[in-house]
Amino acid sequence: GAVVSQHPSRVICKSGTSVKIECRSLDFQATTMFWYRQFPKKSLMLMATSNEGSKATYEQGVEKDKFLINHASLTLSTLTVTSAHPEDSSFYICSATRQLLATEAFFGQGTRLTVV
Amino acid sequence: AQTVTQSQPEMSVQEAETVTLSCTYDTSESDYYLFWYKQPPSRQMILVIRQEAYKQQNATENRFSVNFQKAAKSFSLKISDSQLGDAAMYFCASLIQGAQKLVFGQGTRLTINP
Repeated sequence: GAVVSQHPSRVICKSGTSVKIECRSLDFQATTMFWYRQFPKKSLMLMATSNEGSKATYEQGVEKDKFLINHASLTLSTLTVTSAHPEDSSFYICSATRQLLATEAFFGQGTRLTVV
Repeated sequence: AQTVTQSQPEMSVQEAETVTLSCTYDTSESDYYLFWYKQPPSRQMILVIRQEAYKQQNATENRFSVNFQKAAKSFSLKISDSQLGDAAMYFCASLIQGAQKLVFGQGTRLTINP
């Protein structure tokens, strides 16, 4: 199968600091990676789409300077939450597809971010 | 615009019984895919079943089957012989052919009563 691994699974950071979340495709090359945010008991909200080697495409309302996304290789994408604040506390999930415009996405296990 | 609606925030069923989760969607496209994902307490998203819009036959995966009504834009999930491990949030999602983004519904929390 296709495995996507997120790291860390949980992170606590102090308000004002930055935190980086990694998303790796372990056994396939991920042409496209997606980052979602999920509030408690809510659905997944797409934050951005990242194609390898290109700048990420952010959804409306998502601050690109706050949520920095890098997809520098075919197996790794990172989400950096800059100058984190308590309202950034959430569950962040990544997914990846094997090829452009693929119809099957593989999800990471998610990262619980708590900003104190 | 592409939208997916799940009108049942919560559902419950007795173990071994059958339950149906509802989903409606709206799209002007003719080529698209529909999915049901399961999110158990571990929060890992798991693909349960997928349906290609061009296929008339309803998809089935063991105890999971869908009722795909294209004209009505309805895509319900039936879980037969419910098991305790089926307890989870279930999300309906759609993907337009040629697009990259999955669009998710609001989710239905399924509880299995022993």
